[in-house]
Amino acid sequence: KQEVTQIPAALSVPEGENLVLNCSFTDSAIYNLQWFRQDPGKGLTSLLLIQSSQREQTSGRLNASLDKSSGRSTLYIAASQPGDSATYLCAVETSGSRLTFGEGTQLTVNP
Amino acid sequence: DADVTQTPRNRITKTGKRIMLECSQTKGHDRMYWYRQDPGLGLQLIYYSFDVKDINKGEISDGYSVSRQAQAKFSLSLESAIPNQTALYFCATSEPGGDTQYFGPGTRLTVL
Repeated sequence: KQEVTQIPAALSVPEGENLVLNCSFTDSAIYNLQWFRQDPGKGLTSLLLIQSSQREQTSGRLNASLDKSSGRSTLYIAASQPGDSATYLCAVETSGSRLTFGEGTQLTVNP
Repeated sequence: DADVTQTPRNRITKTGKRIMLECSQTKGHDRMYWYRQDPGLGLQLIYYSFDVKDINKGEISDGYSVSRQAQAKFSLSLESAIPNQTALYFCATSEPGGDTQYFGPGTRLTVL
């Protein structure tokens, strides 16, 4: 059974800091890995999707990497802003379009 | 208008009551999903449907049932609600081929 773990569970940083969120998974037989952002009352928004054949994806200040063989991914946020405050969820897709989610990292960026 | 909508957004009910949560989408996707999220935990898959005639159980389907009334509509029912079904419920849609899933805003359900 696929298990996804995210570290840390919570993170508080001052505005402007660069930060890294970590995700690990137990079964390397994945189709892709996705990072989502969850805001209260607004559901989940997909940030980055890395196919299993890819090593990284970038979108603006966000960069996600994938090391499938070691079962790890990182989400790098550059120059953090208060608007980045949210819960960040990592999910891996296995057969049948099924996503397995981690517990999330709750990020607070302080002005 | 939102692509994936859920009704109701909040619901408080009592143990033993039958509850239906509804999901509608305008994205034209064939695949739809129901998840639940408990505090401090990730999302867990309850049921998923790849088309109107295809329904599949997820990780935690016990105590739940679903109905795919049309391509755009996927309902989740709790036949006899119990307090440990208190959670945040999300509906999602996707297309086949490795695309992401698109989530609704969620329904917060409280069972007393």
